[in-house]
Amino acid sequence: SQKIEQNSEALNIQEGKTATLTCNYTNYSPAYLQWYRQDPGRGPVFLLLIRENEKEKRKERLKVTFDTTLKQSLFHITASQPADSATYLCALDSRGSTLGRLYFGRGTQLTVWP
Amino acid sequence: EPEVTQTPSHQVTQMGQEVILRCVPISNHLYFYWYRQILGQKVEFLVSFYNNEISEKSEIFDDQFSVERPDGSNFTLKIRSTKLEDSAMYFCASKPPRPTGSYFGPGTRLTVT
Repeated sequence: SQKIEQNSEALNIQEGKTATLTCNYTNYSPAYLQWYRQDPGRGPVFLLLIRENEKEKRKERLKVTFDTTLKQSLFHITASQPADSATYLCALDSRGSTLGRLYFGRGTQLTVWP
Repeated sequence: EPEVTQTPSHQVTQMGQEVILRCVPISNHLYFYWYRQILGQKVEFLVSFYNNEISEKSEIFDDQFSVERPDGSNFTLKIRSTKLEDSAMYFCASKPPRPTGSYFGPGTRLTVT
């Protein structure tokens, strides 16, 4: 069956450290993998998209890697701040789907403490 | 910066009643979606809409659900006869015609009693 698994439901780190979140998938062949941030009671906010032929993508303090052989993406937040505390969602499309239908993982809740 | 908007923010309805959830996608976007998220669970796809017709729908999107784009700006989701298990956050999203993420609205919390 198809699965998207994100490491541990919760991750707690100290301010200034690098947070690393993992997304593993099985039985998908995504052309794109995306990361979103979701705050409680709010809609997901798009952060980064990485294509299947890209190894790494960066945006400010964010870095995403994508390994289609391992079927894994890593999401890094460097120099983390308490304001980064949120749930981070991994999402991917599916080759058999049209127009960007997304499949989401359950998310990892990140808490950055001062 | 343009945003997807949704109304109402919270809707309470009785089982068996019809509800209409409204969305205004970002104006130059061409692809529109509805997703839902039951409390504590993952975000789930319901339906995608392009060129005034449904492009794809999930197994959740049964005959009780329908979508419309009645004019150039609004995009609606109708649930004809709500069930208790329809209680969830419903998110509208839109996307431009290029490889980028989807832009989600703030959601409508639907509570069916």
